[in-house]
Amino acid sequence: EPEVTQTPSHQVTQMGQEVILRCVPISNHLYFYWYRQILGQKVEFLVSFYNNEISEKSEIFDDQFSVERPDGSNFTLKIRSTKLEDSAMYFCASRDNTEAFFGQGTRLTVV
Amino acid sequence: GEDVEQSLFLSVREGDSSVINCTYTDSSSTYLYWYKQEPGAGLQLLTYIFSNMDMKQDQRLTVLLNKKDKHLSLRIADTQTGDSAIYFCAERDTDKLIFGTGTRLQVFP
Repeated sequence: EPEVTQTPSHQVTQMGQEVILRCVPISNHLYFYWYRQILGQKVEFLVSFYNNEISEKSEIFDDQFSVERPDGSNFTLKIRSTKLEDSAMYFCASRDNTEAFFGQGTRLTVV
Repeated sequence: GEDVEQSLFLSVREGDSSVINCTYTDSSSTYLYWYKQEPGAGLQLLTYIFSNMDMKQDQRLTVLLNKKDKHLSLRIADTQTGDSAIYFCAERDTDKLIFGTGTRLQVFP
């Protein structure tokens, strides 16, 4: 069964550093997303991406964040100058017309 | 704004049915989803229902949708210990999913 894959599974970074979280969506999907889940809290929408551009973003997705689809397969989330409160599980998702599938997540720990 | 609410905990005996409830506010939702999250793991899509349907059955899972009351439920028949997890309902608002708080299902023998 096709799946969304994310790397790394766990990333530890120092406050102020930049991180890039990587995702390989399901190959024939056209809609891509990033969500995050702070420990013990809701899954929150960050950004959606379609046709090589951002289609919607939340208040959380400020100038510190950016997304890119650098080639035909990868979809990345870059967080510049990480803060302690960026520590969370970050999920990538991709969707066809109906079903949205999520990756296993990257646990980001900012120290 | 859109909001999705769930009760936080549910405890059931193995072999019984579990019913997890969810309410949402956005009447224009097109699809509603149920995801399962096991400890330390990602979000596994269990099932979804289109907003013009009342019910959908998929093996042990039954989804009921009351669009008038904006109420969604997930029934798991013959609940097993492997069903212990957090269950999230989500509504699709335009392009994105809005998730509920999650219901932690605990199955005891």
